[in-house]
Amino acid sequence: EIVLTQSPGTLSLSPGERATLSCRASQSVSSNYLAWYQQKPGQAPRLLIYGASTRATGIPDRFSGSGSGTDFTLTISRLEPEDFAVYYCQQYGSSPLTFGGGTKVEIK
Amino acid sequence: EVQLVESGGGLVQPGTSLRLSCAASGFTFDDYAMHWVRQGPGKGLEWVSGISWNSGNVGYADSVQGRFTISRDNAKNSLYLQMNSLRAEDTALYYCVKDRRSSVNYPTFDYWGQGTLVTVSS
Repeated sequence: EIVLTQSPGTLSLSPGERATLSCRASQSVSSNYLAWYQQKPGQAPRLLIYGASTRATGIPDRFSGSGSGTDFTLTISRLEPEDFAVYYCQQYGSSPLTFGGGTKVEIK
Repeated sequence: EVQLVESGGGLVQPGTSLRLSCAASGFTFDDYAMHWVRQGPGKGLEWVSGISWNSGNVGYADSVQGRFTISRDNAKNSLYLQMNSLRAEDTALYYCVKDRRSSVNYPTFDYWGQGTLVTVSS
C-alpha cells in the first residue's frame, strides 16, 4: 500500500499569500495518478485536481498542481478567505487507493 | 445538479449489522462507478468500497473485506452498503461518492454526499 505523507500539518498564512502544500508518496505513483481535495468544516470534500495537474470542473485557476513520481505539490497562488480549509491528497494509481493525512491551511 | 443523499446511519452495538443507502440524482447513474468513503471523528479520509457501473467489478478496503458488501440498483439510481459484524473502529461518517469514470480502476471522486453517521458502541 502506498503511504502518502502531507506536510506541513498546519500552514498559517494571511489572505493574499501563496500556499504551497506537499504530498510525498512512499513509492512512485503510477502515471501520476494523484488528486487533491479541499474540505471545509462541516462539509464534504471537493475535488480540486486530478492527474497531478488537471483542475476539476469549476476550480479557480489560483489552484495548481504539480509533481511526479513520489513528490507532488498543490499551490494556491493567492489565498482567498474561502480557501482556508483542510487539503487531502489521494493516489489512485495503485490498489488500494490511499489518502494523505491532510494539511490544514489556517488564517494567520 | 448532482445530488447524493445518504441514509441508514445510526447508533448500533458491536457485532450487529446496518445497511446504508444512497439516492442519486442529476446525472446518468448507470454511466459511473460509485464508492463509499468514510471519515472517523476528527480523522482523515478512508476509501471503503467501490462498484463499477454495471456491478461487474467491486473492491473493498482490507479493513472491511468479508464484512461489508456494496451493491447498486441502476433502475432505482441507488447505491447500498451492507455492513455486518460492525466494530467500534467502523464508527465514522460514511460518504456516498461518485466516480469520474465508469470503472473502479483509477478512481477519483468528483461529487460527494453529505454523509450518514454510523456509531458503533455498546
